[in-house]
Amino acid sequence: GENVEQHPSTLSVQEGDSAVIKCTYSDSASNYFPWYKQELGKRPQLIIDIRSNVGEKKDQRIAVTLNKTAKHFSLHITETQPEDSAVYFCAASIGSGYALNFGKGTSLLVTP
Amino acid sequence: DGGITQSPKYLFRKEGQNVTLSCEQNLNHDAMYWYRQDPGQGLRLIYYSQIVNDFQKGDIAEGYSVSREKKESFPLTVTSAQKNPTAFYLCASRHPSGSSYNEQFFGPGTRLTVL
Repeated sequence: GENVEQHPSTLSVQEGDSAVIKCTYSDSASNYFPWYKQELGKRPQLIIDIRSNVGEKKDQRIAVTLNKTAKHFSLHITETQPEDSAVYFCAASIGSGYALNFGKGTSLLVTP
Repeated sequence: DGGITQSPKYLFRKEGQNVTLSCEQNLNHDAMYWYRQDPGQGLRLIYYSQIVNDFQKGDIAEGYSVSREKKESFPLTVTSAQKNPTAFYLCASRHPSGSSYNEQFFGPGTRLTVL
């Protein structure tokens, strides 16, 4: 299937700093881009998503930006807290359908 | 996410055996999905189904089979043809077709170990 590349694979920041995770996709027909957070041993949970007709979306400390031309999107977390520590996955829809291709994940560690 | 369940939570299989993982949802979702998660590999799509009695292969369908006889249920069978089945398996479901919501809701997962 089409690839979704995610970087970095690990990220360590101090509490209060910002964290940025970047993803690129190859399927030009993709139109939906969610971000999931997965805590150790738990199921992934959606934290924010964006459609291809929008360039940026914010929800409190979390924001996502999308550049369709360059086929990349990013997750921004401001004022990080220790409870933000988890693995974050980006994903892109397979074409304009319902299935998703996921990135390999970023392990975020926020140290007090 | 409490409306989608998977069982069992842990499953042990001997080599050469087929095993079936259960996934049930009461969210009235049309689409259901199976993913496999390995350390450092993210989530990889095995099979998905958009409606009852219809399903499509994902990227890593070899060695797996599914059925979708009821809207609420999407069981996954890991066959003996799957050479490296030890992994964490996640089931997900999505809002009805035509909905403006695209979010996939995940079940709690089944950890399969081959002995």
